[in-house]
Amino acid sequence: EDKVVQSPLSLVVHEGDTVTLNCSYEVTNFRSLLWYKQEKKAPTFLFMLTSSGIEKKSGRLSSILDKKELFSILNITATQTGDSAIYLCAARPRGAQKLVFGQGTRLTINP
Amino acid sequence: SAVISQKPSRDICQRGTSLTIQCQVDSQVTMMFWYRQQPGQSLTLIATANQGSEATYESGFVIDKFPISRPNLTFSTLTVSNMSPEDSSIYLCSADRDSNYGYTFGSGTRLTVV
Repeated sequence: EDKVVQSPLSLVVHEGDTVTLNCSYEVTNFRSLLWYKQEKKAPTFLFMLTSSGIEKKSGRLSSILDKKELFSILNITATQTGDSAIYLCAARPRGAQKLVFGQGTRLTINP
Repeated sequence: SAVISQKPSRDICQRGTSLTIQCQVDSQVTMMFWYRQQPGQSLTLIATANQGSEATYESGFVIDKFPISRPNLTFSTLTVSNMSPEDSSIYLCSADRDSNYGYTFGSGTRLTVV
């Protein structure tokens, strides 16, 4: 059975800190891994990763995939209170349309 | 990526009643997906909706409880039938409009059953 596991499940840090969120996956015929940010109801897309070792970057956020070790990390530098959210990781098997979601990491940034 | 309009945004319903949630995509998409997110939990896929065929339901979800319509390539509805308090969740629709930008989600429906 396809599975995605995120850690930690919850993280509280101070504004300005750097955080690393982890996502490991066991997916048959892996195609891609996606990161989402969920603040209220709708998850918003952050990154899609398909190749190992290629960092994707957007402002203070970056992510990288390791297809050998079957994991991905999401880094957020110089965190701000607006980064407080649930971060979801999802894997997409090749040939399948549906995503397999992890449990999410609830990130809280304190001022 | 696609823009998906979802409504209602929230509702409070009496147990035993049904609620239909609508999603409208701003472009044609082959598949649409319906998710449930129970309080404090991650997203669980309910079913995949193809235009012109019956929806494919995930284990633990049945058509009688969650009937889905997909009349065309831009629209879908999910009905939550005979509701109980355990159905209180956020319901989300999703579509894969642009394979380079992942899946887009609707704005979500927060359902409370009393």
